[in-house]
Amino acid sequence: NAGVTQTPKFRILKIGQSMTLQCTQDMNHNYMYWYRQDPGMGLKLIYYSVGAGITDKGEVPNGYNVSRSTTEDFPLRLELAAPSQTSVYFCASLPSMGEANYGYTFGSGTRLTVV
Amino acid sequence: QQQVKQSPQSLIVQKGGISIINCAYENTAFDYFPWYQQFPGKGPALLIAIRPDVSEKKEGRFTISFNKSAKQFSLHIMDSQPGDSATYFCAAPSDSNTGKLIFGQGTTLQVKP
Repeated sequence: NAGVTQTPKFRILKIGQSMTLQCTQDMNHNYMYWYRQDPGMGLKLIYYSVGAGITDKGEVPNGYNVSRSTTEDFPLRLELAAPSQTSVYFCASLPSMGEANYGYTFGSGTRLTVV
Repeated sequence: QQQVKQSPQSLIVQKGGISIINCAYENTAFDYFPWYQQFPGKGPALLIAIRPDVSEKKEGRFTISFNKSAKQFSLHIMDSQPGDSATYFCAAPSDSNTGKLIFGQGTTLQVKP
């Protein structure tokens, strides 16, 4: 099992550019999440999905968009990149409520710099 | 937005010592409080978790103490080792049906040889 795979691992964007961060899981998990990690700030939830076709905003959704057309894939789209989006982005998955009890499986992260 | 407040932000401990990280939460409605461990360049990984109906849970050198009345829980790392050097996050559920977690700010632990 590969678990949760994120690509790319690193990326430098210019202000105003757009990009998609890819996240794929092969564990047939229903629940998926995107978090951003900034120094001293912990992890903040951007968007989440409880199943294919269902997405919802988290704590810090502005400037981002997501889609969930399949159980496996949960891409995060950045439109019009801004320096405030410089961060490390983590994708995570969870089988479903009542199982694994919030034991997320995280990807290895994407380090994004906007200049 | 509910918060989880974690302290200290950083911690230096000698090998063999006890590392203690504290977290305080606001909402008493939830039923699971996990701790995650993150090594540099890696994603966080579940370390240990506790339900509020128990006051303590131990797994090897790692122990969670839970104080429901004070709305606090702590991670104790006994006989700390240099390999324990990592960032630790506590977390609490945001609600009961989406799996969303609210994370603490993180504690960077350095264990000196």
